[in-house]
Amino acid sequence: QIVLTQSPSASASLGASVKLTCTLSSGHTSNNIAWHQQQSEKGPRFLMKVNSDGSHYKGDGIPDRFSGSSSGAERYLTISSLHFEDEADYYCQAWDTGIWVFGEGTKLTVL
Amino acid sequence: QVQLVESGGGVVQPGKSLRLSCAASGFTFNTHGMHWVRQAPGKGLEWVAVIWYDGSNEYHADSVKGRFTISRDNSKDMVYLQMNSLRAEDTAVYYCARDWGGYGDYLDHWGQGTRVTVSS
Repeated sequence: QIVLTQSPSASASLGASVKLTCTLSSGHTSNNIAWHQQQSEKGPRFLMKVNSDGSHYKGDGIPDRFSGSSSGAERYLTISSLHFEDEADYYCQAWDTGIWVFGEGTKLTVL
Repeated sequence: QVQLVESGGGVVQPGKSLRLSCAASGFTFNTHGMHWVRQAPGKGLEWVAVIWYDGSNEYHADSVKGRFTISRDNSKDMVYLQMNSLRAEDTAVYYCARDWGGYGDYLDHWGQGTRVTVSS
């Protein structure tokens, strides 16, 4: 059973950078993941797929300020030059045969 | 552009049934798997079900197995979620989402959701 662990909250100042982390459970540390953004009262939006080798593939229209990377069991989402509209919940998502899971999400506050 | 529009939500009594629909457009529907994901009030995202591009296989989360059934009609570019024996804990916004591939991969486009409230 894949389990994804995310910190419940993060904060950073307008114009700064922030790195969010998603940790894969034991036995699944080579899985690829996807990051999704959910702004308040909106549906989720796919941001990017992050592979275990650190490569990432972004969705349509996702700004260059968003990037992904990996290290071991950890998958990262880095947002640079923070805008107020980046304040949102960020979910990582993984999949394996017959099962798809989401992390519990990180609530990002832009100060 | 890819569009996914859910419908069919509403208020329903415990034990009753409801069918959700998702109309897809802007892409070749019969080459992509499709998912349903839900979000209870104030909670995170919970994956519900997936169906392969040709309808030949499907998977459901343990929390809905035996009560919910995902299906699709590739002639109409539609995906459905039949929900039976509804419980209070099924109250959520239900999202339709496209799979990047045909056999269940990551979710790369989302609809805006339809709200389901199970209450007497």
